[in-house]
Amino acid sequence: ETGVTQTPRHLVMGMTNKKSLKCEQHLGHNAMYWYKQSAKKPLELMFVYNFKEQTENNSVPSRFSPECPNSSHLFLHLHTLQPEDSALYLCASSQEWTSGANVLTFGAGSRLTVL
Amino acid sequence: EDKVVQSPLSLVVHEGDTVTLNCSYEVTNFRSLLWYKQEKKAPTFLFMLTSSGIEKKSGRLSSILDKKELFSILNITATQTGDSAVYLCAVVPNTGNQFYFGTGTSLTVIP
Repeated sequence: ETGVTQTPRHLVMGMTNKKSLKCEQHLGHNAMYWYKQSAKKPLELMFVYNFKEQTENNSVPSRFSPECPNSSHLFLHLHTLQPEDSALYLCASSQEWTSGANVLTFGAGSRLTVL
Repeated sequence: EDKVVQSPLSLVVHEGDTVTLNCSYEVTNFRSLLWYKQEKKAPTFLFMLTSSGIEKKSGRLSSILDKKELFSILNITATQTGDSAVYLCAVVPNTGNQFYFGTGTSLTVIP
């Protein structure tokens, strides 16, 4: 248990479905991240939130919609996904950027399969 | 363009062997380099390196950074089957909430 909890751990959805991934951290961190992990590719940063404000959006398609209601919770809303979106989605948290303590703590990931 | 390259991509060794994993980078305004171990779950933090030539050590694992040649190595001595995992390297620049990851090295230790 890392202190970052992701649910669900596995998700299968059709291309017309709407679903959400949830992430919760109990570490008192102020920054939260979504990463996409595909086979044989580096982790791709999708979104970053610092103190609930989105600070990075790496040209992610609009079918992925993040939400950060507070510093402990992060959601990724999924809508009309494509089969190539099938991947492991990792949530991470860290201390706020300017603190210098920039070590990511990851959740176990949500394995998404789009049919 | 900032990037991180890890080698080898995969490695199979026998228990008791020593392995060296490599991470080279091209990142402007370098702040730190991180190593993670990923089994079938969350990547777990191993080391953070900020200064050249200072070895970080934890049990059988050790790591060192060379900021002049822009690389880091992760050594594992007397490998065990529990060391089987993907080892990820990430480089952190001074600006922005960005962590640049490599593709990882998949290590398999066979009995």
